[in-house]
Amino acid sequence: EAQVTQNPRYLITVTGKKLTVTCSQNMNHEYMSWYRQDPGLGLRQIYYSMNVEVTDKGDVPEGYKVSRKEKRNFPLILESPSPNQTSLYFCASSRLAGDRADTQYFGPGTRLTVL
Amino acid sequence: AQKVTQAQTEISVVEKEDVTLDCVYETRDTTYYLFWYKQPPSGELVFLIRRNSFDEQNEISGRYSWNFQKSTSSFNFTITASQVVDSAVYFCALSDLNTGFQKLVFGTGTRLLVSP
Repeated sequence: EAQVTQNPRYLITVTGKKLTVTCSQNMNHEYMSWYRQDPGLGLRQIYYSMNVEVTDKGDVPEGYKVSRKEKRNFPLILESPSPNQTSLYFCASSRLAGDRADTQYFGPGTRLTVL
Repeated sequence: AQKVTQAQTEISVVEKEDVTLDCVYETRDTTYYLFWYKQPPSGELVFLIRRNSFDEQNEISGRYSWNFQKSTSSFNFTITASQVVDSAVYFCALSDLNTGFQKLVFGTGTRLLVSP
């Protein structure tokens, strides 16, 4: 089954404790992206990647890191989480149509709480 | 800059009613894509439709229909004969040439509650 998976689905942590949220897709998509969803703000892009070893900042990259060492995986790293990073996080992937990201398909979401 | 406005924060209807969710967008580009996603109570985001800026034909898929009007920069979504399973948050989104189609700009969502 074609899908985007994220782990963990739920996480409660404390301020400053490094964490990684994994994202994996089995559709051989070149493009992957991370978004966060906050009440009243919709979804905002954190980082995206057009292919292996190619990553770029989205609209709200502060406090996050990403890496793209393999095509299927795109982990989101919070090196020193803070309470304002409490949010619902989504990973997405899509094929590239030329130089354009096609329709993005989303993972199930990771609900993160930072105390 | 790009912007998507979903002015309706929450809509409540009774089953079998028709309901329209509004979406107004802003972009300086002539080439762009518009999307609708559904977020049911379980939390995942489900893709519903993509429409490109050069195709103003309305689309119908079962009980769902979409009305794209460039003259008013709107891409409205209508559910006919709503059902309880339609209860969800619905997001409208835009990607355009200015951002190289590298990101989706989302509206704030409309929560639809369909009661039996």
